[in-house]
Amino acid sequence: DQQVKQNSPSLSVQEGRISILNCDYTNSMFDYFLWYKKYPAEGPTFLISISSIKDKNEDGRFTVFLNKSAKHLSLHIVPSQPGDSAVYFCAASTAGSGNTPLVFGKGTRLSVIA
Amino acid sequence: DTEVTQTPKHLVMGMTNKKSLKCEQHMGHRAMYWYKQKAKKPPELMFVYSYEKLSINESVPSRFSPECPNSSLLNLHLHALQPEDSALYLCASSHPDLNEKLFFGSGTQLSVL
Repeated sequence: DQQVKQNSPSLSVQEGRISILNCDYTNSMFDYFLWYKKYPAEGPTFLISISSIKDKNEDGRFTVFLNKSAKHLSLHIVPSQPGDSAVYFCAASTAGSGNTPLVFGKGTRLSVIA
Repeated sequence: DTEVTQTPKHLVMGMTNKKSLKCEQHMGHRAMYWYKQKAKKPPELMFVYSYEKLSINESVPSRFSPECPNSSLLNLHLHALQPEDSALYLCASSHPDLNEKLFFGSGTQLSVL
């Protein structure tokens, strides 16, 4: 049973435009959400996170939106750059209960075309 | 220092070999993790150490044996692996008492022949 779902395996976007990556979750106990970026043969790199007490968190070109009622979050990248081409993983945890491992989605491969 | 260092970066081993993967962090994190990742799949949790004690074992076969000698080091001992164990093995660390922002190493790409 997949608790974190990224239904789009891949996404192509023109350089300079907005990239929107989506993530859905089923476990209503999740209260902390993260996005990781991964290049081939490298470990995932933390990008941005959001706690369930917020509905938006912004860091430079990256914004994460959380819709708790829909159990949905999205990552917006504006403007998209060729260096953003990577696999993006959504992850979730029940941070309030301490050392709970992250649950990852299957990832979305973003290709930013120059 | 926000790095998690993993060695070796690449490893090829036979099914009868014994080898070890090593991981080191100096961020003062007291939780350390082993993940396994196959191509086009998400990272899959194997083990979690919290304050140097094994707190989670996700039903991993005994041919994988983790070890946490101290708060900075994490090892994964490998013995009698199968070809299907070929994968990218990722180490991560975090502060166990805060939100679970994991810092990942670059991984060890393991090939079992």
